[in-house]
Amino acid sequence: GESVGLHLPTLSVQEGDNSIINCAYSNSASDYFIWYKQESGKGPQFIIDIRSNMDKRQGQRVTVLLNKTVKHLSLQIAATQPGDSAVYFCAENIGNNAGNMLTFGGGTRLMVKP
Amino acid sequence: EPEVTQTPSHQVTQMGQEVILRCVPISNHLYFYWYRQILGQKVEFLVSFYNNEISEKSEIFDDQFSVERPDGSNFTLKIRSTKLEDSAMYFCASSGGQGQETQYFGPGTRLLVL
Repeated sequence: GESVGLHLPTLSVQEGDNSIINCAYSNSASDYFIWYKQESGKGPQFIIDIRSNMDKRQGQRVTVLLNKTVKHLSLQIAATQPGDSAVYFCAENIGNNAGNMLTFGGGTRLMVKP
Repeated sequence: EPEVTQTPSHQVTQMGQEVILRCVPISNHLYFYWYRQILGQKVEFLVSFYNNEISEKSEIFDDQFSVERPDGSNFTLKIRSTKLEDSAMYFCASSGGQGQETQYFGPGTRLLVL
């Protein structure tokens, strides 16, 4: 049948609040995970990554948590700003090698209210 | 900061015509990729390229598609005979290799097939 557009889950937060975006991945063999931010009409922008031998990694205002037991990834954004409004995708990579394909999740739209 | 660039930003073509999408990856990167994103849908992997040959490709990347690195800086995606369903954003990405797996994306080319 004809494919339909994604109905993106939307997270609406107040400026200054913390945001948590969740992602379930499918392949237990995946060992490298990345969060990308995509603004309207632009390409995915790298935010933060994590390897499967870690369960937490922190960047500037962002933290990624990995729970391999339940195949769950989350992105936490501290003190969310209007400029954080975008669609956020998690992506997984099998093989931990450069040159492997990324499999993207469906995305979550983050809307930050001023 | 180095970035991936793509040209053109928009391309309109008639069904059955050939199109070539161009990318300049980050200069010291070794792995190159094409992805596409149909409006409202996920980012989908097409192909990865390393050492002047395809290292991985998806089911989407059929005989109508080809990639080439014609010189030391450009990386191209050719669609031989475009179909209506090829209309999408096409993203080029590159990664450094040798333990630098992060894929950095260009701004995309919006292809519209009429």
